[in-house]
Amino acid sequence: RKEVEQDPGPFNVPEGATVAFNCTYSNSASQSFFWYRQDCRKEPKLLMSVYSSGNEDGRFTAQLNRASQYISLLIRDSKLSDSATYLCVVPPLGSARQLTFGSGTQLTVLP
Amino acid sequence: EAGVTQFPSHSVIEKGQTVTLRCDPISGHDNLYWYRRVMGKEIKFLLHFVKESKQDESGMPNNRFLAERTGGTYSTLKVQPAELEDSGVYFCASSQTSGPNYEQYFGPGTRLTVT
Repeated sequence: RKEVEQDPGPFNVPEGATVAFNCTYSNSASQSFFWYRQDCRKEPKLLMSVYSSGNEDGRFTAQLNRASQYISLLIRDSKLSDSATYLCVVPPLGSARQLTFGSGTQLTVLP
Repeated sequence: EAGVTQFPSHSVIEKGQTVTLRCDPISGHDNLYWYRRVMGKEIKFLLHFVKESKQDESGMPNNRFLAERTGGTYSTLKVQPAELEDSGVYFCASSQTSGPNYEQYFGPGTRLTVT
């Protein structure tokens, strides 16, 4: 089983729609998580951090379900500029320092 | 403040040739990481420097890959000789600290194509 698994999509939604992505992780010891956003042929950029049960930032809400070992990202009132690949990322545990990435979920917001 | 920069942005080489990728981290960031994304796969860790020292190179695929960070500033990643399966996007990232919940800032990547 992969350490981080995401639905690759693509998700094609109209402007204004609400869309949610899920991500599952295998290591129950993981305490925190990140959502990164990657635009086409650009670098990944940190979107949100999730440390406890969830985090909200404007139109974006991230939720963590430790019992089921999944993280979700909810985007409300989608904008054209939200079109990107969303990467679920697990920070390192113990002495390790590398990030573990999911394969990403592609979102296209249509006019 | 300048972000992480990488050079070149694209490189097309033939199998068997050598390529050297360069990464300049954000000024003052002691931690530097190399990652790679091959076609259709997730971004995977290659190695981690703290200043000029290699802290973790567990992700390096084989001995055809050599990373250096002389002087603890910029880093190079050399692939010699390149193979077809080395094609992908090579990302560099840097961070100021190395705690578990720090942000890593990524560069735009070098797209390597081996033909």
